[in-house]
Amino acid sequence: GAVVSQHPSRVICKSGTSVKIECRSLDFQATTMFWYRQFPKQSLMLMATSNEGSKATYEQGVEKDKFLINHASLTLSTLTVTSAHPEDSSFYICSARSGTGSNQPQHFGDGTRLSIL
Amino acid sequence: QKEVEQDPGPLSVPEGAIVSLNCTYSNSAFQYFMWYRQYSRKGPELLMYTYSSGNKEDGRFTAQVDKSSKYISLFIRDSQPSDSATYLCAMVQTSYDKVIFGPGTSLSVIP
Repeated sequence: GAVVSQHPSRVICKSGTSVKIECRSLDFQATTMFWYRQFPKQSLMLMATSNEGSKATYEQGVEKDKFLINHASLTLSTLTVTSAHPEDSSFYICSARSGTGSNQPQHFGDGTRLSIL
Repeated sequence: QKEVEQDPGPLSVPEGAIVSLNCTYSNSAFQYFMWYRQYSRKGPELLMYTYSSGNKEDGRFTAQVDKSSKYISLFIRDSQPSDSATYLCAMVQTSYDKVIFGPGTSLSVIP
C-alpha cells in the first residue's frame, strides 16, 4: 500500500522550456503532498508543501513563480518548472502523506531527473 | 549545529554482517522518527516509523530511539548486497509539521 507514482522519470530539454512533473497517490488519498529537490550526495531539500484545494506553501528561497504547484485533487499534484535554466537541473522528488496528521509518514515517488541544456 | 547529524559514510561491510546506522539530533521537540532507504536514482522508501523510546523490530531491521540522548539507530541483521543503498533518518515535530531529514549514510554490502 501507499504507492506514489511520479512522471516523467527523466526529462532533458532546452533552456527556456517549461517542464511539468506529475505526482500521483495510487492507492490512497493524499491531502498533503510535498515537493523536494535533491542534489548529488545530499539530502532532501523541501521546496514546498501542497494542500489539496489551496495554494502551496513555499520554503524560504524557493521562487513560487518559478516553481508552480497545483494540487487540484486528492490524488494528484503537479510541479511546473517555468522557463527552466541549467541551474534548475536536479533530481525532483514528490511525496504524499496518507493521513491528515503531521505525524503520518510520507511516501515518496521515484523522482524526476531534470536536465536543462 | 545542524538539527540532524548523520555520518555520510561510505560504510562498507561484508555480506551477513550486522550494520548499525545512527543519527543524532538537537531538537528535543522531535516526536516521530523514521528511517528511509534510497537506492540510486530512486525515491526514498519508508523502512521504519517509530514514536516512543525503545526498540521496534521488522524482519531484519530494528529501529532504536533514545530520546534522552537524542539518538536514533537502525540495525540491519544478516546484511545482503541488496541492502546497499543510502539510508536517511528523518524526524518530525508535529507542531511544526515539517520532516527534517539527515544527510544519509551510504552503505555497501560486499558479497
